[in-house]
Amino acid sequence: SQTIHQWPATLVQPVGSPLSLECTVEGTSNPNLYWYRQAAGRGLQLLFYSVGIGQISSEVPQNLSASRPQDRQFILSSKKLLLSDSGFYLCAWSVGGMNTEAFFGQGTRLTVV
Amino acid sequence: DAKTTQPNSMESNEEEPVHLPCNHSTISGTDYIHWYRQLPSQGPEYVIHGLTSNVNNRMASLAIAEDRKSSTLILHRATLRDAAVYYCILRSRGVLGSGSARQLTFGSGTQLTVLP
Repeated sequence: SQTIHQWPATLVQPVGSPLSLECTVEGTSNPNLYWYRQAAGRGLQLLFYSVGIGQISSEVPQNLSASRPQDRQFILSSKKLLLSDSGFYLCAWSVGGMNTEAFFGQGTRLTVV
Repeated sequence: DAKTTQPNSMESNEEEPVHLPCNHSTISGTDYIHWYRQLPSQGPEYVIHGLTSNVNNRMASLAIAEDRKSSTLILHRATLRDAAVYYCILRSRGVLGSGSARQLTFGSGTQLTVLP
């Protein structure tokens, strides 16, 4: 069966520090991968998606970047965190096209102080 | 991108049916209608999806209007555990590969409150 792992669950980082959040998927090949951010009380904002290794599409300009070094690994990074980067970060995967469901990780609660 | 419109919030009494509406007047013929829900402090979970015909699964039913410009998610007997934000999204064929991947964009959803 397929599973998605996202870590850490919570993270407190000072302003200006780097960030690395990792997401891995098991039990499937060549998934579409997604990073979302959800600010407190707000909806889900799609940040990045990837259809294959090394292929990253950015939905919004920001202080973050994403990489996909392996087929089932998706990394969200920042060189210097801002206060506005605080939020709930979610990784998701899907396969196939519009007739398939997506699966989400449990999320990382990031607080930048 | 085809967009969806949902009410910001709805209330229901426990053990009564709930009908959550979604308007998607610009839907194209190949767009699938998907529903997800998000419980507090958790990632969204898939609920149901459909194209033209009504769909049923163990979680809910999806009623799709004949012109496909609207749909309704039906929870047959709401429980307190159904309190969540419900998202209606459209998944499009788009450009091969990246197009369908991109179409996983969420709106603000409907906050469902279930009253005991």
